[in-house]
Amino acid sequence: EIVLTQSPGTLSLSPGERATLSCRASQSITNNYLAWYQQKPGQAPRLLIYGASSRATGIPDRFSGSGSGTDFTLTISRLEPEDFAVYYCQRYGSSKTFGQGTKVEI
Amino acid sequence: EVQLVQSGGGLVQPGGSLRLSCAASGFTFSSYWMSWVRQTPEKGLEWVANIKEDGSEKYYVDSVRGRFTISRDNAKNSLYLQMNSLRAEDTAVYYCARDGSGYDWGQGTLVTVSS
Repeated sequence: EIVLTQSPGTLSLSPGERATLSCRASQSITNNYLAWYQQKPGQAPRLLIYGASSRATGIPDRFSGSGSGTDFTLTISRLEPEDFAVYYCQRYGSSKTFGQGTKVEI
Repeated sequence: EVQLVQSGGGLVQPGGSLRLSCAASGFTFSSYWMSWVRQTPEKGLEWVANIKEDGSEKYYVDSVRGRFTISRDNAKNSLYLQMNSLRAEDTAVYYCARDGSGYDWGQGTLVTVSS
């Protein structure tokens, strides 16, 4: 089973700053079946990125994903107040595992 | 717009049963695998089960296999999770999700297993 390790656990930033979140897989992820989600308190996760780098419908272009193989990155170019949340990566497809999350806080 | 509206959930005693439902709209339900995922503060997000478009294949995480049953009714655009022999460690928020390139999620429902 693929294990996804996210870092850092918490990222303390200010609005307007750039956020860089990491997701490392224990084995290579084929077909770039890697997704990123945003979750706010009391809400379901929301799909941001799929296929490692494709933005989901309606997601602002300040969110971008990159990487391949075992190392993936979610970048938020300029943090807006509504972006402070917890972010999860997920390996989807035949094997479905989630990272433990990165909290982006003010 | 994809909509997944969940119902069911609540408080149940250890050893009891509960059935979760998920009503889908905004897409062709019968063309997608569907999943159940649960979330706890301790373990985070955990995939629980999924089911093929026509219901012919079902898969479960080891910890629920033999106790939980996933099913679907494509005529009603609905997904179900029958949970039997519930344990305290099954306490979680349960989400239904549409499988695809990433997941689309229902709103979640809390299941609490406690005496």
